[in-house]
Amino acid sequence: DAKTTQPPSMDCAEGRAANLPCNHSTISGNEYVYWYRQIHSQGPQYIIHGLKNNETNEMASLIITEDRKSSTLILPHATLRDTAVYYCIVRVAIYTGANSKLTFGKGITLSVRP
Amino acid sequence: EAQVTQNPRYLITVTGKKLTVTCSQNMNHEYMSWYRQDPGLGLRQIYYSMNVEVTDKGDVPEGYKVSRKEKRNFPLILESPSPNQTSLYFCASSFGGADQPQHFGDGTRLSIL
Repeated sequence: DAKTTQPPSMDCAEGRAANLPCNHSTISGNEYVYWYRQIHSQGPQYIIHGLKNNETNEMASLIITEDRKSSTLILPHATLRDTAVYYCIVRVAIYTGANSKLTFGKGITLSVRP
Repeated sequence: EAQVTQNPRYLITVTGKKLTVTCSQNMNHEYMSWYRQDPGLGLRQIYYSMNVEVTDKGDVPEGYKVSRKEKRNFPLILESPSPNQTSLYFCASSFGGADQPQHFGDGTRLSIL
């Protein structure tokens, strides 16, 4: 799987949009971009994923650049409960046992301040 | 409510005493997996199962066993636990396919003394 690079931390004010960047410059055409988050020591929570197009769901939006070498996760109105470690993961779009695991890097710690 | 349920949530036990951590999902997922999370090492896959009666090793399988006799259950067995298995464990499940997100349980914190 392609490696991802995320800044170690960022913060934003409650109620404002949080834009979390991820660099995946070696991504190939058959790799998805997934975002998960982990609040304290709870189980990782799935947020969103995409292949080429931008995606939006009830939690967030995912913006993937045209060359697919980077992406941004947008939390439109951050709350204190969004404080967590956010992981950007690249995953091969070929479903085999060996490809089934998710490789979590260090992630980015988002701190939402009141 | 769709969920992955792990039990127990916390356990303190002693070296050599066999234990089982249960994982159950109610989403009819084919795929299930176990991860462990340790400080500085991130999440590492222990075992996974593509479907009933189909299991395989992940990256750190030593000292663990699994079984998948039913679709909904995927227990993790530590036959002879050792202190280096002290960790936070997560079970995950999904439908088959790389475009299918994995859903994680709340975790089991094991302390082996």
